[in-house]
Amino acid sequence: DTAVSQTPKYLVTQMGNDKSIKCEQNLGHDTMYWYKQDSKKFLKIMFSYNNKELIINETVPNRFSPKSPDKAHLNLHINSLELGDSAVYFCASSQRVAGGKETQYFGPGTRLLVL
Amino acid sequence: AQSVTQLDSHVSVSEGTPVLLRCNYSSSYSPSLFWYVQHPNKGLQLLLKYTSAATLVKGINGFEAEFKKSETSFHLTKPSAHMSDAAEYFCVVSVLKDTGRRALTFGSGTRLQVQP
Repeated sequence: DTAVSQTPKYLVTQMGNDKSIKCEQNLGHDTMYWYKQDSKKFLKIMFSYNNKELIINETVPNRFSPKSPDKAHLNLHINSLELGDSAVYFCASSQRVAGGKETQYFGPGTRLLVL
Repeated sequence: AQSVTQLDSHVSVSEGTPVLLRCNYSSSYSPSLFWYVQHPNKGLQLLLKYTSAATLVKGINGFEAEFKKSETSFHLTKPSAHMSDAAEYFCVVSVLKDTGRRALTFGSGTRLQVQP
């Protein structure tokens, strides 16, 4: 009965590699998000997709590219990984409601360590 | 710009005593406010939310928060702490981006420690 799931849970890789993190939600929501949590626990939004359309794109390096094959999936591909990319990446989803009062539901996070 | 400030980075209480985690917000309109909890090495779980209905909001696990517009506060409370409450707590506001879409802005977090 998982609502928002992410794979992998842990990812350890070398600098310069390319990696992907997958996210799926079975809540029927129309909007999905990626957040980055740094080593000081600070959470910041990276991207948001609504019905497969990119609607929020914060100041994120071009090496990060989200891909939404359908509205239940939002994957994050990272090229040329750098040490500073080490963080926990959270996927979330929500259903748009009038007045913008929707609630976001988060996945368990993917812990990325770049060596 | 909308933002939240969590006034304490770390709070320590004894089991069975009350919990108070403080949060102030800034917003030019009636905000949507949330409290999320993150247990060690776990994801984020919604505790409660305020969306302009009742100002006293009850959440899961005995937590509640009161929206006070005059004080621009949304403090989280619990009458009696349990060991399992030890976690990181985030106060969050829903903000309107330039695109007309909404995103969550997180506070810096408060780590709650519960002593036996």
